[in-house]
Amino acid sequence: DSGVTQTPKHLITATGQRVTLRCSPRSGDLSVYWYQQSLDQGLQFLIQYYNGEERAKGNILERFSAQQFPDLHSELNLSSLELGDSALYFCASSPLGDSYEQYFGPGTRLTVT
Amino acid sequence: ELKVEQNPLFLSMQEGKNYTIYCNYSTTSDRLYWYRQDPGKSLESLFVLLSNGAVKQEGRLMASLDTKARLSTLHITAAVHDLSATYFCAVDVRYGNKLVFGAGTILRVKS
Repeated sequence: DSGVTQTPKHLITATGQRVTLRCSPRSGDLSVYWYQQSLDQGLQFLIQYYNGEERAKGNILERFSAQQFPDLHSELNLSSLELGDSALYFCASSPLGDSYEQYFGPGTRLTVT
Repeated sequence: ELKVEQNPLFLSMQEGKNYTIYCNYSTTSDRLYWYRQDPGKSLESLFVLLSNGAVKQEGRLMASLDTKARLSTLHITAAVHDLSATYFCAVDVRYGNKLVFGAGTILRVKS
């Protein structure tokens, strides 16, 4: 158990809908990272937040957005969902903005039908 | 753009045999990570390699990093069934800001 929690574990929704994935980092960690894992694209970095501010951006679609709240938990919002958004979404955390080890949560499996 | 290539992508081994997984990357970096993932599960950190020539060992797994060749290896010694999983290497693009992952190597150890 890495200490990173994600909810929900599974989510099934329809195309065109909007969902919110939640992540709580390890106690004391200031950085949160979001990754998407799919059969087509593999594991891809989406976005990083550090202490409430966006720090780095990867291959995140415009339909997706994220934020980190004062209590350091983070939410990833996915809107206008398409079939291709079905994937496993991981959150990871690290102590600082430039830390060499990221601890991954259990993931949220999103299925878009 | 940084590219990370792993090979082989699939490896079927007999128990007791040795094998090596290779991870090549395209641009300069001196931070490389190996993760293990069991089916439907999260990623478990195996090794963090932070400098040229770094070598780390844990049980039957040993990882090394050659930054000049932009190559890391994960060596498996005397494989056992419990090592069956998918192994990913990942390279740090901006020192902690972004990990770029290889496609993963699916390892099956047959008894």
